[in-house]
Amino acid sequence: DVKVTQSSRYLVKRTGEKVFLECVQDMDHENMFWYRQDPGLGLRLIYFSYDVKMKEKGDIPEGYSVSREKKERFSLILESASTNQTSMYLCASRTGVWNSPLHFGNGTRLTVT
Amino acid sequence: AQKVTQAQTEISVVEKEDVTLDCVYETRDTTYYLFWYKQPPSGELVFLIRRNSFDEQNEISGRYSWNFQKSTSSFNFTITASQVVDSAVYFCALRRDDKIIFGKGTRLHILP
Repeated sequence: DVKVTQSSRYLVKRTGEKVFLECVQDMDHENMFWYRQDPGLGLRLIYFSYDVKMKEKGDIPEGYSVSREKKERFSLILESASTNQTSMYLCASRTGVWNSPLHFGNGTRLTVT
Repeated sequence: AQKVTQAQTEISVVEKEDVTLDCVYETRDTTYYLFWYKQPPSGELVFLIRRNSFDEQNEISGRYSWNFQKSTSSFNFTITASQVVDSAVYFCALRRDDKIIFGKGTRLHILP
């Protein structure tokens, strides 16, 4: 089974802090994604990556950046956390095959105070 | 615009009842894929099914069935004889370019 692991289940950070959310997958998947999930808004795509050192903006990239230095790891960075970034963050991966489904991690619930 | 609409925000049914979750999509593409995911209380989204735009056959997997109708741009999901373990948030999703976009989800409560 594909395993997508997010380093933290819960995080509490202060406004203005730099925050790193880490995601690791163990199935050699080419594509990785970061979504945020908010009540009433569903899942919204922040950034994704086709391969190592490649990144693409999703639908809501403002206030975020990403890093993919190794194929198995995809990091989401909040350069200066703000309270409106309090959310559930979900990492996902899939193979490069066009119709392959996403495999998700358990999520990181981030609270910015 | 390409989007997925799940009009039912929340549904409650009594155990053993059948329940249908609606999904309506919009896309300009002639080739596309649709998905359903389940998010139980533990939080991890679980892939349930994938359907491509050329395959309109309905699919049944145990108590789950899916009805794909291109004429109405719908991809509805039915749970037969629901069980408490079916309680979850269910998401319908559409492949758009290299992204998968999700509906807002339907929260399903199965009452014992």
